[in-house]
Amino acid sequence: EADIYQTPRYLVIGTGKKITLECSQTMGHDKMYWYQQDPGMELHLIHYSYGVNSTEKGDLSSESTVSRIRTEHFPLTLESARPSHTSQYLCASSEFGTEANYGYTFGSGTRLTVV
Amino acid sequence: AQKITQTQPGMFVQEKEAVTLDCTYDTSDQSYGLFWYKQPSSGEMIFLIYQGSYDEQNATEGRYSLNFQKARKSANLVISASQLGDSAMYFCAIMDTGRRALTFGSGTRLQVQP
Repeated sequence: EADIYQTPRYLVIGTGKKITLECSQTMGHDKMYWYQQDPGMELHLIHYSYGVNSTEKGDLSSESTVSRIRTEHFPLTLESARPSHTSQYLCASSEFGTEANYGYTFGSGTRLTVV
Repeated sequence: AQKITQTQPGMFVQEKEAVTLDCTYDTSDQSYGLFWYKQPSSGEMIFLIYQGSYDEQNATEGRYSLNFQKARKSANLVISASQLGDSAMYFCAIMDTGRRALTFGSGTRLQVQP
């Protein structure tokens, strides 16, 4: 049973629409991450958070924004979707000191298509 | 900055045979962690194995083992007795001690043939 949930699983949306990808975890993890992955390609870190009210940009420049108002919730927002945003978005969480045993827990991902 | 290099875009292996997936890394950190993840066609990321930079013994988890050669900066994944369900993408990743975020390689697609 997944402890980190992403919704929606699939999303097809028109250009210019505002979208929010949801990510929630029930493990009480402080650290959360968003990765972007094109099909069959590597994952790129776009945002991360150390805890409530903490957000940082990752390695890959992204037009998306994130917020962390509650420990368990780390949503990603695109104000105006474009076809170049078509990709899979993976959310992950971890707890300091337990990564060796459990790794990073990933959600099932959201496959976004902008038409 | 951290970097992971996986030079094998695709690999084939016969069922029940062993296979080695290559991973080399570059980091300026003295302390770091190396991870392997499996990604089936469904898209989820499954944690397989972890190796710490100060661990003297190679990590093992069931049929998975990590051949860690620190001087060569390599962390190859060995899968013994391959099964059809092992067919997937495999990603090597390194955790930096600053952000404690993972940097991934480009992956290797493994196909197990009956």
